[in-house]
Amino acid sequence: RKEVEQDPGPFNVPEGATVAFNCTYSNSASQSFFWYRQDCRKEPKLLMSVYSSGNEDGRFTAQLNRASQYISLLIRDSKLSDSATYLCVVNEVFHGQNFVFGPGTRLSVLP
Amino acid sequence: NAGVTQTPKFQVLKTGQSMTLQCAQDMNHNSMYWYRQDPGMGLRLIYYSASEGTTDKGEVPNGYNVSRLNKREFSLRLESAAPSQTSVYFCASSGGGRDTGELFFGEGSRLTVL
Repeated sequence: RKEVEQDPGPFNVPEGATVAFNCTYSNSASQSFFWYRQDCRKEPKLLMSVYSSGNEDGRFTAQLNRASQYISLLIRDSKLSDSATYLCVVNEVFHGQNFVFGPGTRLSVLP
Repeated sequence: NAGVTQTPKFQVLKTGQSMTLQCAQDMNHNSMYWYRQDPGMGLRLIYYSASEGTTDKGEVPNGYNVSRLNKREFSLRLESAAPSQTSVYFCASSGGGRDTGELFFGEGSRLTVL
């Protein structure tokens, strides 16, 4: 079983749609959680951290359920520029930091 | 604002050749990482360095060696390249510590082994 799993995708949605991505992780000792965005042939970049209380940044809302080991990302009023691959990332902190990446879910927002 | 710089951006090797990927960061970060990304696999950790002078194996270290030359630089060496090492390689750094979560990536190095 993979340590971090995500919806396989791709998701093709019209502009203005709301889309939700799901992620599960296997290591209950994981300390911190993130969503990264990766554009085609580019490096990943941090989209947002995910906190236990849930957090929102404009059109983006992230939720964490530690009991279920589940993370979600909701994008409202999607824009063409939201087209990218979204990576769920879990940080297993021990003597250093071990960032474990999910395989990513590709989103295409269509005009 | 260089951030993380890695070179070369593209490289084609023949099986058995060796090469070194260079990475440098100017953010005074303690931790540095080398990942490879293959289609459908996500990013997989090859090696990481939690601080200057230390290196540790990640998920897929076989066929690679690393050197943390100083706090800024972390290089990845392929001693005898194989076609299975065809991939996109990303160097990254982070500030370290339990509450520091952001990884900063270089632009990637696309390696093809024929």
